[in-house]
Amino acid sequence: DTGVSQDPRHKITKRGQNVTFRCDPISEHNRLYWYRQTLGQGPEFLTYFQNEAQLEKSRLLSDRFSAERPKGSFSTLEIQRTEQGDSAMYLCASSLGTGGGQNEQYFGPGTRLTVT
Amino acid sequence: GDSVTQMEGPVTLSEEAFLTINCTYTATGYPSLFWYVQYPGEGLQLLLKATKADDKGSNKGFEATYRKETTSFHLEKGSVQVSDSAVYFCALSDYGGATNKLIFGTGTLLAVQP
Repeated sequence: DTGVSQDPRHKITKRGQNVTFRCDPISEHNRLYWYRQTLGQGPEFLTYFQNEAQLEKSRLLSDRFSAERPKGSFSTLEIQRTEQGDSAMYLCASSLGTGGGQNEQYFGPGTRLTVT
Repeated sequence: GDSVTQMEGPVTLSEEAFLTINCTYTATGYPSLFWYVQYPGEGLQLLLKATKADDKGSNKGFEATYRKETTSFHLEKGSVQVSDSAVYFCALSDYGGATNKLIFGTGTLLAVQP
């Protein structure tokens, strides 16, 4: 069990640039979540995939953000025209969608984005 | 909407002291409740969970009981260790909802001194 992995772990970019993050969930997990965590706060939900379908997006996810999960495996989160307010830790989590309370979400180590 | 409120930190304790971190929630459905822990430099790890009223979650000496009447899920440990120093997050998931997304509290930093 390799757990949830995320790449890169750290990203420093200049304002206005585009960035893309990758998340590889636990292999048998069909549910995948993206969260954003700013300093001193708890993670906030951004978006959710069940297999390859993106079923929910938070209002936090502006038009500059896009997420994909082709073939229901890994996922990417892209931020276009980054702003300083986008600086945060971006967390990915996955879980089994079998019902019966099996909703334990397993988190990756996160990608820390710094926009200068 | 659904929300979680947890006590502000930091909480500073001496080793072997008793720990309580308060957590209360607001939810329209019947949420599952979780405690996650984030050790320095590491990702979020599930510590314990409870899926229905009066359930008690426990792990590594930590316990929390799902109290529907007080909408609470307080985290307790009888004797903390230096290695318990971390940030603790209370969270809920509306199991009856479509996404089961987690809603987190702001986190409580625990510092245990030897």
